[in-house]
Amino acid sequence: AQKITQTQPGMFVQEKEAVTLDCTYDTSDPSYGLFWYKQPSSGEMIFLIYQGSYDQQNATEGRYSLNFQKARKSANLVISASQLGDSAMYFCAMRALNSGNTPLVFGKGTRLSVIA
Amino acid sequence: EAGVVQSPRYKIIEKKQPVAFWCNPISGHNTLYWYRQNLGQGPELLIRYENEEAVDDSQLPKDRFSAERLKGVDSTLKIQPAELGDSAVYLCASSSTREGEQYFGPGTRLTVT
Repeated sequence: AQKITQTQPGMFVQEKEAVTLDCTYDTSDPSYGLFWYKQPSSGEMIFLIYQGSYDQQNATEGRYSLNFQKARKSANLVISASQLGDSAMYFCAMRALNSGNTPLVFGKGTRLSVIA
Repeated sequence: EAGVVQSPRYKIIEKKQPVAFWCNPISGHNTLYWYRQNLGQGPELLIRYENEEAVDDSQLPKDRFSAERLKGVDSTLKIQPAELGDSAVYLCASSSTREGEQYFGPGTRLTVT
């Protein structure tokens, strides 16, 4: 079984500053993927970034980067140069990769508020 | 390319009434998921389809929930009868590759009064 823990219910960040959203995970699967999704008030889940457990380098996608520390079982999301449009719920998720298209297991999310 | 389409976007019903949600996945995606998201929580899987076959429905409350995916494309999720605790957002997602991301639809927000 997999478990995702997001310990920050809410975060505030000043516009143009960087912010780190924490995520720790637990799994017994040897091969797994870690994901971050953004959910604005409209409700849609928007894929941001992916990290495979076998990837040697941290994933980056534009202003998003994933700080993957396998020994600590953490997969923190870093957003650089925050924008007002980044205000939303952010979910960390994971799934096993060794048995087909397994479903995602999500954390409870972190609400990010960007202040002008 | 069109994304995952869901309808309706919003639904308000009285308890004990039936309700149905429809999902059209991204073209070519063979795996389809239904998730339920309660207020203040992350989504949780209800059922997963590989083509027409339901391969993971252990979290689906089968006494009142049913789902189908005819011809391995569109899917319908039904609740009959609805209870107050069914109020939630129902999300449909699809994927095509073993290591690829899942693409989500906009969801259906159900309110049971």
